[in-house]
Amino acid sequence: DTAVSQTPKYLVTQMGNDKSIKCEQNLGHDTMYWYKQDSKKFLKIMFSYNNKELIINETVPNRFSPKSPDKAHLNLHINSLELGDSAVYFCASSQEGGLRPLHFGNGTRLTVT
Amino acid sequence: EDQVTQSPEALRLQEGESSSLNCSYTVSGLRGLFWYRQDPGKGPEFLFTLYSAGEEKEKERLKATLTKKESFLHITAPKPEDSATYLCAVQERSNTGKLIFGQGTTLQVKP
Repeated sequence: DTAVSQTPKYLVTQMGNDKSIKCEQNLGHDTMYWYKQDSKKFLKIMFSYNNKELIINETVPNRFSPKSPDKAHLNLHINSLELGDSAVYFCASSQEGGLRPLHFGNGTRLTVT
Repeated sequence: EDQVTQSPEALRLQEGESSSLNCSYTVSGLRGLFWYRQDPGKGPEFLFTLYSAGEEKEKERLKATLTKKESFLHITAPKPEDSATYLCAVQERSNTGKLIFGQGTTLQVKP
């Protein structure tokens, strides 16, 4: 029974296309995140939602738009994909209250050609 | 600027050969420091949270310690199944839940 699940696991697409990545958590957590991991395995936060409200929005191109239809789901839509968007994108969730460990999904490897 | 630096980037050990991984951090106000383990093709898996200098946490062959400027992950008598990338992350006092990660140490334990 997967706690944080992301789809798809692999995504290969061409420059200029628009794509979405979906994330769902069944842990009952209040907060969800999107992180980007580059080729050097460096994880950097992109967005965070708490109870469907955006609370963290790092310096990310506005081609990236998160959407949270409910507190169990946080999707990531990317417009006009660029080569530099190639990376592994991780969804995560945690209980509200800070200092709570993040539970990560297994990532979506995005390759832009 | 808040920063987390891990060393070494890569570490090869023989089975049973104990060692330590380092995580140095600079943050305006530390709320907590986290250690995660990441296997290839998987998301990071939570190991420990440390809250204050002097604190230690243990789990099987792993022990994490914290000072005011760095944390160590000690691995005692490692086994091949301990091979993974170990990530350190800090949370600062803004209480947004944001974690700042280091680049990780990739550990390979040979039988």
